Amino acid sequence: LAKTTQPISMDSYEGQEVNITCSHNNIATNDYITWYQQFPSQGPRFIIQGYKTKVTNEVASLFIPADRKSSTLSLPRVSLSDTAVYYCLVGGYGGSARQLTFGSGTQLTVLP
Amino acid sequence: SQTIHQWPATLVQPVGSPLSLECTVEGTSNPNLYWYRQAAGRGLQLLFYSVGIGQISSEVPQNLSASRPQDRQFILSSKKLLLSDSGFYLCAWRKGVLDGYTFGSGTRLTVV
Repeated sequence: LAKTTQPISMDSYEGQEVNITCSHNNIATNDYITWYQQFPSQGPRFIIQGYKTKVTNEVASLFIPADRKSSTLSLPRVSLSDTAVYYCLVGGYGGSARQLTFGSGTQLTVLP
Repeated sequence: SQTIHQWPATLVQPVGSPLSLECTVEGTSNPNLYWYRQAAGRGLQLLFYSVGIGQISSEVPQNLSASRPQDRQFILSSKKLLLSDSGFYLCAWRKGVLDGYTFGSGTRLTVV
């Protein structure tokens, strides 16, 4: 499984755009990149998933360069309620259920 | 729509006592099921996963076990709890390996 590296923590202010980068140098050809959000005492919540280039949904964008060795989660105009831990996961498919391993995540703190 | 139920929400158990945590999924069939544990301030550690009834794969050696007696039921057990078993236990499911995880609300286990 590809190992991921994220910053331990980040601070931002309300209304700003936040970019969290994840490194995954040994990503495999069939690996997807997935991001989750976790609030205290809750299970992680799926945010976005992508394979290459750019993916956008109603809550975030995911940018993946051509070499796919890193990815950046972009949260537009964050609010206080976006304070949470964000996990980058890399894993693929190929018949096995155990494809995704959670690292330590990035604690995002949004300040007023 | 699919829902996942996990109980109890909190549990305080003495060392050496047994454990049984239950997780059920509704609204889908043949889900991939997972048990994760999260120590305080840490990432999620995959404990067990199951791709079908009676099929259990263990990720880490420990005094915990898992069972899947029915298609949408996943049980985490222990015969004798250790202090180190304390943590936040999360059940999750996904339909296929390209799908995101959906997590339950978690069980906060404190072994005293």
